Amino acid sequence: EAGVVQSPRYKIIEKKQPVAFWCNPISGHNTLYWYLQNLGQGPELLIRYENEEAVDDSQLPKDRFSAERLKGVDSTLKIQPAELGDSAVYLCASSLDLGSGELFFGEGSRLTVL
Amino acid sequence: GENVEQHPSTLSVQEGDSAVIKCTYSDSASNYFPWYKQELGKRPQLIIDIRSNVGEKKDQRIAVTLNKTAKHFSLHITETQPEDSAVYFCARGKLTFGTGTRLQVTL
Repeated sequence: EAGVVQSPRYKIIEKKQPVAFWCNPISGHNTLYWYLQNLGQGPELLIRYENEEAVDDSQLPKDRFSAERLKGVDSTLKIQPAELGDSAVYLCASSLDLGSGELFFGEGSRLTVL
Repeated sequence: GENVEQHPSTLSVQEGDSAVIKCTYSDSASNYFPWYKQELGKRPQLIIDIRSNVGEKKDQRIAVTLNKTAKHFSLHITETQPEDSAVYFCARGKLTFGTGTRLQVTL
């Protein structure tokens, strides 16, 4: 079975441009997470979904970031407009639920904003 | 949310020696403490975890200990090998991660 799939793997854009990342979690996983990982740092939670509901988005900069998980499966994370400081790896992960089961990460989407 | 402090940030050991990484937390409600290994350019992968009703868990050369009273948990790697070289992250639950420890195993 495929793991968590993310695309694109790499994206280079100029500041003020929009960008979108896509994530397909492991089949049957109700909980989906988006993390930001800066170089040399641990993942930082941006948003967590339980099925299609965003239940923890307190760390998501809502002025420029948005996310959705339609039908409770795939998810997209969008940044508009991108800033230089948004350069990072955006990791998607999924688990059966918050309290049980292993957390599985995707390979990440590396964003470079010029 | 509650932070997790991780030490050291870098660790260099000779092949065959042991490595210990320690994390501390402040949230008494925490009951799940996983450890992840992340190789350069790769995804973080779970290597071992422990729940609050257990004091120690071992899987071959890797072990994790939990001290609930002192609110710290540690990763122990024995008989280190070059392929153990990576960045290791502790976490509190699935939401809060430590800052990482870069382990370098030298020949």
